[in-house]
This record gives sequence, structure tokens and C-alpha cells, in this order.
Amino acid sequence: EDQVTQSPEALRLQEGESSSLNCSYTVSGLRGLFWYRQDPGKGPEFLFTLYSAGEEKEKERLKATLTKKESFLHITAPKPEDSATYLCAVGPSGTYKYIFGTGTRLKVLA
Amino acid sequence: GAVVSQHPSRVICKSGTSVKIECRSLDFQATTMFWYRQFPKQSLMLMATSNEGSKATYEQGVEKDKFLINHASLTLSTLTVTSAHPEDSSFYICSARAGPSSYNEQFFGPGTRLTVL
Repeated sequence: EDQVTQSPEALRLQEGESSSLNCSYTVSGLRGLFWYRQDPGKGPEFLFTLYSAGEEKEKERLKATLTKKESFLHITAPKPEDSATYLCAVGPSGTYKYIFGTGTRLKVLA
Repeated sequence: GAVVSQHPSRVICKSGTSVKIECRSLDFQATTMFWYRQFPKQSLMLMATSNEGSKATYEQGVEKDKFLINHASLTLSTLTVTSAHPEDSSFYICSARAGPSSYNEQFFGPGTRLTVL
């Protein structure tokens, strides 16, 4: 069964304290792995797509990496405005649907 | 680019009434749109996949007569919650797939908060 697990469930960081969020997945065939940011009461905002193991993508303080079993979202020197829920989704082969993880709620303290 | 809008952003209705939510792709054509439901502090639950000009495909456990989906054009999909009850209160979010490639990402609307009294 296709499955996506994110950890930790919640994370509190001091401003400038770098860390990583994990997204582990099992899927019969991977079309793509997608990272989103969601602020309270809003829809998810697209961050990255990763297609194959070894791929990396960066945007400002965020860097996403992918292996055959998991993806990491690295946050370097976070700021309070990075506080949000980060969602990982897997797109299995043969379908346009996503399988979402439960998300990591990140709080960055000033 | 890749902007998706939803209307209304918030709706309060009485039990037994029907509510229609619109989802529009503003700057691209979306052959496929998706409708999700999200409960507080939980992830997104896919309700149905909507393809332009054809019937929606509902996920297991989602009542198709309760949640009517219409995808009449390449930029508009609607979700109608029929005979709404308090248990239908939730945050409803649509997304649209931008482009024909199987690798295309989904872009999400801002969501609609439905409260049924």
C-alpha cells in the first residue's frame, strides 16, 4: 500500500537554528515527490518537485533532497516567517493523484 | 503564474441548504482539478478528481450524491454540498494540475471555510 509519513509532527526552533524535516514514503512507482507550505486557514503553497533519487532543489533558506525511500526538507537559519505546516506529497505512477503526509508544524521563535 | 482562486472564502449556512463552491484556474487551463477536505490540524483528504467534460471520480467513502462536482470548462470546477449538515462543516480546498504532462504539479486554491449551523 502506498504510504507517506512525515516526522517530526511538530518542531520548535530558535531563529537561526537550522534543522531538517523528514518525509518517508513507500510507493510502487514514483511519478514525483512534492513539498508544500501551508499557513493557517490557507491553501498549500507549492515549494518543490523532486523526480528522482539524488535530486536536490533550493529556494532561499529551503533545500529539498530525495532518496529512494525518503525526502528531507532542510531549513537553514530559519526566520519567524518560516513558521508554517510543511506538507509532503507523493505522486504514484499511473495516477495524477497525490498521497499526502500528515505534515510537520514548524514554529520558529524570534 | 499558476494561480487558483476559490469563491467564497467563507460561508455559513443553515442545516438542509445547499452550498456551491467555485474553483477557477486564473492563468492556465486545467484539464484536471481535485477537491480536498481538511479537518483542523490534519492533512488534506482527497474527495474527488474532476476532469473537464467528464464525470468526477470520487474516493472511497465520499458520497457522490452529497458532494456534486461539475467541471464545465478548462478553468472552472464547482463543488456543491447538497442538504448540508453540521458534520459537513470543514475546510474545502481545490487544486488544479497545470498542463498535460504527468509530471505537472498541483496548484491549490486558498480554501473555503464551510460552517453549517
